[in-house]
Amino acid sequence: EDKVVQSPLSLVVHEGDTVTLNCSYEVTNFRSLLWYKQEKKAPTFLFMLTSSGIEKKSGRLSSILDKKELSSILNITATQTGDSAIYLCAVVEYGNKLVFGAGTILRVKS
Amino acid sequence: SAVISQKPSRDICQRGTSLTIQCQVDSQVTMMFWYRQQPGQSLTLIATANQGSEATYESGFVIDKFPISRPNLTFSTLTVSNMSPEDSSIYLCSGLGTDTQYFGPGTRLTVL
Repeated sequence: EDKVVQSPLSLVVHEGDTVTLNCSYEVTNFRSLLWYKQEKKAPTFLFMLTSSGIEKKSGRLSSILDKKELSSILNITATQTGDSAIYLCAVVEYGNKLVFGAGTILRVKS
Repeated sequence: SAVISQKPSRDICQRGTSLTIQCQVDSQVTMMFWYRQQPGQSLTLIATANQGSEATYESGFVIDKFPISRPNLTFSTLTVSNMSPEDSSIYLCSGLGTDTQYFGPGTRLTVL
């Protein structure tokens, strides 16, 4: 059965800390991996990763895919309280089926 | 980027009734999906909405309970039928564009 596993399940840090969120996957027909930030109802798209070893960066957030290890990491540097959210990882399979991980709950304390 | 709207944004319903959620995308997307997110859980795919034909349902979801329509490329509806308190959840419409997946704002459903 296809699955996406995120770790840790939850994390509490202080402002200014750097965090690394992990996503590993076992899917049949991998196409791409997506990262989302979810604060209220709808997830907000962060990154789409299709190629291994190429870092995607947006401000303090960055992410990279390792197809050999079947995993991805999302880094957040100099965290702020506004980074508090659930971070979701999802894998897109050919046929456009998405499999979501359970998410990592991040809380940044001031 | 596509903008996706949903309505209603929230509703409180009685057990045994049905609710239809509408989803409109402002530009064409290749695929449309319906997700459910129960309290404290991640997103669960209910079905893929297929234009002009029956939706493709994931394991655990059936058409009688969650009938879906997609009469054209930019509009879809999800009906939650014969509701029970266990159906209380956030229902999210999603569209797959060329480079990313867009989500609607969600419908928060409470069944009493």
